Amino acid sequence: DQQVKQNSPSLSVQEGRISILNCDYTNSMFDYFLWYKKYPAEGPTFLISISSIKDKNEDGRFTVFLNKSAKHLSLHIVPSQPGDSAVYFCAASEDFNKFYFGSGTKLNVKP
Amino acid sequence: SAVISQKPSRDICQRGTSLTIQCQVDSQVTMMFWYRQQPGQSLTLIATANQGSEATYESGFVIDKFPISRPNLTFSTLTVSNMSPEDSSIYLCSVPYTDTQYFGPGTRLTVL
Repeated sequence: DQQVKQNSPSLSVQEGRISILNCDYTNSMFDYFLWYKKYPAEGPTFLISISSIKDKNEDGRFTVFLNKSAKHLSLHIVPSQPGDSAVYFCAASEDFNKFYFGSGTKLNVKP
Repeated sequence: SAVISQKPSRDICQRGTSLTIQCQVDSQVTMMFWYRQQPGQSLTLIATANQGSEATYESGFVIDKFPISRPNLTFSTLTVSNMSPEDSSIYLCSVPYTDTQYFGPGTRLTVL
């Protein structure tokens, strides 16, 4: 039973436009949420986090939104750049130790 | 941030053999985690490596297949034993540090 789901395996966006990556979860006890970017042959790179006491966290071009009632979070990238092309994973945890990962969304930003 | 290195970065192994993967962190951390990413799939937690006690394994993973050592607060090893082609994956260690979890670069294992 997958507790964290990313239902879009891929997303294609034009350079300069907004990329929106979505993530849904089932466990209402999750309190910490992370987004990672992963290039082939590399480990995941941390992008941005949010805790359940917030509904938005912003870091430069990256903003994460959390809707606890809907058990949904999203990552917005504005403006999108070709270097953003990678696989993006969301992850969730109850206690900041064991994280459950989504299956990833492959983002392609076209020049 | 925490800097994590892994050795080897990749290996090709024969069925039935074992491979030990090393994970080194540049800071002392209480907990270290081992994940697996099978081809085309997400990251799955294998076990938590606790310093001074036995590792805690997730459902579906056992110590005989994935023995783990944690001799100190900056180092851990994961052994993939009696390998089969189904063990072909990327193996990653991670540590919680300040406000997030940091991952090593991964070890890409191919079992023939």
